[in-house]
Amino acid sequence: AQSVAQPEDQVNVAEGNPLTVKCTYSVSGNPYLFWYVQYPNRGLQFLLKYITGDNLVKGSYGFEAEFNKSQTSFHLKKPSALVSDSALYFCALRPYGQNFVFGPGTRLSVLP
Amino acid sequence: GAVVSQHPSWVICKSGTSVKIECRSLDFQATTMFWYRQFPKQSLMLMATSNEGSKATYEQGVEKDKFLINHASLTLSTLTVTSAHPEDSSFYICSAAGTETDTQYFGPGTRLTVL
Repeated sequence: AQSVAQPEDQVNVAEGNPLTVKCTYSVSGNPYLFWYVQYPNRGLQFLLKYITGDNLVKGSYGFEAEFNKSQTSFHLKKPSALVSDSALYFCALRPYGQNFVFGPGTRLSVLP
Repeated sequence: GAVVSQHPSWVICKSGTSVKIECRSLDFQATTMFWYRQFPKQSLMLMATSNEGSKATYEQGVEKDKFLINHASLTLSTLTVTSAHPEDSSFYICSAAGTETDTQYFGPGTRLTVL
């Protein structure tokens, strides 16, 4: 069965420090992996995706994610966090030919 | 590019009334549209998938007669919550995918409150 786990409900980081939001997945076959961000009372905004190719994917707003097949992970990273990065982050998996499976979300708080 | 709008952004209605939510892809043709429901502090739950010109495919446990979906054109899908009750109160989000169907683009969401 396909599933996405985000082991941390909440991540706190000081402004200017690097941030990591973790995601692991389970799927049969090659995964399509995505990160979305949601601000309060808003829909989801696409950040980045991994389909194939380079394991390090660069996305919007300075975010990047590294696909690690052996660890079945797709952690989201940013070298220097901003207060405006505070939001809810969702990792999602799209098994080939199927609908999205979303993780439970991780709330990121960047403290000034 | 890839902008999806939803209307209304919020709605309050009385129990027993029906509410229609529109989802539009503004700058691309959406061959497939998705409707999600999100409860407070929870992830998105897929309700149904619709392809233009055909009947929607509902996820298990979602009442198709309660949540009517119409995907009349390549840029518009509507979700009608019929005979709404307080337990239908939620944040409803649509998304759209074009020919590049590996990515979904999300609308801003509609908050429905049923009194």
